[in-house]
Amino acid sequence: AQTVTQSQPEMSVQEAETVTLSCTYDTSESDYYLFWYKQPPSRQMILVIRQEAYKQQNATENRFSVNFQKAAKSFSLKISDSQLGDAAMYFCAYRRRSGAGSYQLTFGKGTKLSVIP
Amino acid sequence: EAGVAQSPRYKIIEKRQSVAFWCNPISGHATLYWYQQILGQGPKLLIQFQNNGVVDDSQLPKDRFSAERLKGVDSTLKIQPAKLEDSAVYLCASSLTLQGARNEQYFGPGTRLTVT
Repeated sequence: AQTVTQSQPEMSVQEAETVTLSCTYDTSESDYYLFWYKQPPSRQMILVIRQEAYKQQNATENRFSVNFQKAAKSFSLKISDSQLGDAAMYFCAYRRRSGAGSYQLTFGKGTKLSVIP
Repeated sequence: EAGVAQSPRYKIIEKRQSVAFWCNPISGHATLYWYQQILGQGPKLLIQFQNNGVVDDSQLPKDRFSAERLKGVDSTLKIQPAKLEDSAVYLCASSLTLQGARNEQYFGPGTRLTVT
């Protein structure tokens, strides 16, 4: 079974600074997707960024980028120029890419990010 | 494009009572998921539908939980009888397809259930 581990329950960052959230995962599959989701307080979960395991190039979305290390099974999220609106719970998630059966997302326990003005 | 809709947003019940949650996915999305998110944890899949068929319900406590998606659109998740440990946020998500690049899951706002 796949597992996702986020070792930082809470993080804080000064506004306009850069912060990196860590995630490791365990899987025996070679083809999969990795995601970072953002869940603001009392608001719905939204996708921040997605990485396809077969792509070596790290994904970027504006101020958000990932450091994907497939051999180490590591998938960290870097937020540059942090803004107050970035404050939220961040979840790392895994999903297999193909084959029969379920395509559930397997989530980590989350990292609560606070942004200090 | 309208997002995933869920109701009610909040529900408080006593243990041993029953409760039902409703989800309306994004129009045209064939795949629907129900997740349970206990406070301090990430969401955990309960059941996954493809149209009106069940793809995966291996983590659904079938002695008390049931779910249906009769016409392949809206879905209802029911708990009967509820236990204290069922207190959680129940998230509904939908995706265009089951697999492949268009499998991105869109989440609803969730229903926060408190069992007293």
